[in-house]
Amino acid sequence: AQSVTQLDSQVPVFEEAPVELRCNYSSSVSVYLFWYVQYPNQGLQLLLKYLSGSTLVKGINGFEAEFNKSQTSFHLRKPSVHISDTAEYFCAVSEGEGAQKLVFGQGTRLTINP
Amino acid sequence: EAGVAQSPRYKIIEKRQSVAFWCNPISGHATLYWYQQILGQGPKLLIQFQNNGVVDDSQLPKDRFSAERLKGVDSTLKIQPAKLEDSAVYLCASRRQGAGNTIYFGEGSWLTVV
Repeated sequence: AQSVTQLDSQVPVFEEAPVELRCNYSSSVSVYLFWYVQYPNQGLQLLLKYLSGSTLVKGINGFEAEFNKSQTSFHLRKPSVHISDTAEYFCAVSEGEGAQKLVFGQGTRLTINP
Repeated sequence: EAGVAQSPRYKIIEKRQSVAFWCNPISGHATLYWYQQILGQGPKLLIQFQNNGVVDDSQLPKDRFSAERLKGVDSTLKIQPAKLEDSAVYLCASRRQGAGNTIYFGEGSWLTVV
């Protein structure tokens, strides 16, 4: 079974600083990769996804992620964060025929300090 | 386009009582999921439906959890009897058929068992 490891449970960052949230996955086959964001008391919202093609994927709110097959990683980055980026971020890998199911990591809580 | 609708948003029950959660997916989405998200963890798949059939319920605790999607549209998740460890957010999600299509999540139903 596929699994996802988010290497940092909490990441505090000052406003306007860059941030990287790390994600590694285990899989012996081709995968689809996703980053979701969860704001307080809300459901999950898709930030971006990698299906194929360019390894650099751009998403909403200025986020981007890079797929690295040799390192089985899919790290999320933003060059300058805002207070409004404070949330929980989840990395996920698809599993199952037709990439129908998501397996999630434990999440990384991003806290932006003024 | 309306999102995934869930109700109730919040529920507090005593252990050994029963509870039911309702979900209405995005129109036209054949696949429906129920995920359980325990505080501090990533969502875990409980059950996946394709139209009105079950695709995967391998992680559903069948001695106390049940779910149905009788007409292939809305779905109900029931817990009976509830245990303290069932306290979690129950997320409903849906997706259109096709590999790599985005899974959209509802805002979740928050359950506290006391």
